[in-house]
Amino acid sequence: AQKVTQAQTEISVVEKEDVTLDCVYETRDTTYYLFWYKQPPSGELVFLIRRNSFDEQNEISGRYSWNFQKSTSSFNFTITASQVVDSAVYFCALSEASSASKIIFGSGTRLSIRP
Amino acid sequence: SAVISQKPSRDICQRGTSLTIQCQVDSQVTMMFWYRQQPGQSLTLIATANQGSEATYESGFVIDKFPISRPNLTFSTLTVSNMSPEDSSIYLCSAAPLAEITDTQYFGPGTRLTVL
Repeated sequence: AQKVTQAQTEISVVEKEDVTLDCVYETRDTTYYLFWYKQPPSGELVFLIRRNSFDEQNEISGRYSWNFQKSTSSFNFTITASQVVDSAVYFCALSEASSASKIIFGSGTRLSIRP
Repeated sequence: SAVISQKPSRDICQRGTSLTIQCQVDSQVTMMFWYRQQPGQSLTLIATANQGSEATYESGFVIDKFPISRPNLTFSTLTVSNMSPEDSSIYLCSAAPLAEITDTQYFGPGTRLTVL
């Protein structure tokens, strides 16, 4: 069965600090996709990144970076030099190739950036 | 990507009534989905809206309570029937664009429903 665990319920850091959000997943499929979404206070869900199971290269996009490690079934997300606008709930999610595009979400991590 | 709009953005309803939520996508999509997000919780998939056929419901969700329509490739509706206060949630529509091969889902802004 597929499962996504975000053990950090809430994180609070001071602006300009780096912060890493953890994500651990479980799946029996060899082909699967991992996602991160951001949900700011306004409520909409913003797509950040998609990774497939065959691509373990880390990715950097501006202040955001993602570390995908199949050996530990983890897909962690780091924000460098955090800003107040980064305050949101962040969801890690998993979709198995065999599941007709259905996405299973983790419980989310609420990130608060203090000025 | 895809731009998704939902109507209404929020509503306050009385117990026992029904509300229909509309979801419109700006491009043709393969899959459309409906999720529920209860206060302070994660997203739970209600059903997959299939074009031209009945929706596929997840465990714990039934058609009588959450009837879904999908008349074409860009539009879907979700009805929350015979509402109770426990139905108070954010309801989100998502879609995977036809033009993308990645099956990434893009989400609408959500409908905040409060049932009194």
